[in-house]
Amino acid sequence: KAGVTQTPRYLIKTRGQQVTLSCSPISGHRSVSWYQQTPGQGLQFLFEYFSETQRNKGNFPGRFSGRQFSNSRSEMNVSTLELGDSALYLCASSLFTGGELSPLHFGNGTRLTVT
Amino acid sequence: KNEVEQSPQNLTAQEGEFITINCSYSVGISALHWLQQHPGGGIVSLFMLSSGKKKHGRLIATINIQEKHSSLHITASHPRDSAVYICAVSTDGNKLVFGAGTILRVKS
Repeated sequence: KAGVTQTPRYLIKTRGQQVTLSCSPISGHRSVSWYQQTPGQGLQFLFEYFSETQRNKGNFPGRFSGRQFSNSRSEMNVSTLELGDSALYLCASSLFTGGELSPLHFGNGTRLTVT
Repeated sequence: KNEVEQSPQNLTAQEGEFITINCSYSVGISALHWLQQHPGGGIVSLFMLSSGKKKHGRLIATINIQEKHSSLHITASHPRDSAVYICAVSTDGNKLVFGAGTILRVKS
């Protein structure tokens, strides 16, 4: 079974630009969640999607948005990039359907550098 | 005060030693996760537990819900166990709050 796939692996953008990151979950997993990791703040929750609906959102500005498609693939978008958005962005998928939790499977992440 | 506190922050052990990493949390949780992150960024979920104890190979995880405390034990540690170990709690679905991580180095 293929794991969680994130594309691209590396990305360099300029301040003010926007970026879209993609996450393909493990087949059959309908829950996709996104996390940001920085040296200063550590790991922080961005949002969670289930069946194309956002279930939860973390404390990030509105420049951070996401969506999930009918095939469970998810994208996150960051508009008007700032230097502080430089981070490793991780997505994870799980079988969680709203009842009992199931283990998370993480992708290898997208490393975004904003210059 | 952070909602999830891990100790120690750094740990160096000799190969073969028994290792314990602790995690305390202050929020209501539906589950607690122990994660392992190697250099390069990839994260692997080691355990997800909401009560009691789980064992997988040389790794054991325990949780005490009343005391809001969990421990990760590594028996017979090996250099390949060197990694960052992260405790995270699920507060709502997969909305996780993370600890700062414990950097483990096992010397041969």
